[in-house]
Amino acid sequence: GAVVSQHPSRVICKSGTSVKIECRSLDFQATTMFWYRQFPKQSLMLMATSNEGSKATYEQGVEKDKFLINHASLTLSTLTVTSAHPEDSSFYICSAIINGGRELFFGEGSRLTVL
Amino acid sequence: QQQVKQSPQSLIVQKGGISIINCAYENTAFDYFPWYQQFPGKGPALLIAIRPDVSEKKEGRFTISFNKSAKQFSLHIMDSQPGDSATYFCAASYGGYQKVTFGIGTKLQVIP
Repeated sequence: GAVVSQHPSRVICKSGTSVKIECRSLDFQATTMFWYRQFPKQSLMLMATSNEGSKATYEQGVEKDKFLINHASLTLSTLTVTSAHPEDSSFYICSAIINGGRELFFGEGSRLTVL
Repeated sequence: QQQVKQSPQSLIVQKGGISIINCAYENTAFDYFPWYQQFPGKGPALLIAIRPDVSEKKEGRFTISFNKSAKQFSLHIMDSQPGDSATYFCAASYGGYQKVTFGIGTKLQVIP
């Protein structure tokens, strides 16, 4: 099956710093990628839809200036958490769809801890 | 508004038993119903999926049953094994709209 690689898997940062998480589709091109946030023992919350070459579409309640998304190529989307605070600590997961397909392929997730 | 309702939220099954997880949806436009399996600290992975033109789909020990009129679908895990212990999410989406709506998840524990 298609592989989505997410990096880093774990990151610890100080409050006020910015953190970038990368999501790559390794063996397919993905026009669209999705970023989710998952709190412990909870479901996946869609944060934004990332479209190659255009601005991301954010879900209601998600601060686009805090969670910057860039989809510069058909295989790479990045999520930057700006001026991170402890409440931003969470598990962030990206996913991608093969163009024309329906199946979501997920990355391994990135555990962000803000001290 | 939760568009896909999943139950139970947690389930304990003995090894060799049948695990059953149920989901109900509201949006009749949904036409793709996948199930995802997630192990702790990992991203979800597709387990099995069904479209509403069939009532059942089986892959190995995993079976999806689909009831279009009741707007319900369920996952059955036959001969459950400790390695099946994970969180399972049902989901739904419809063509032309790539967002996937997830259920709340079911944490399955298979005990020896």
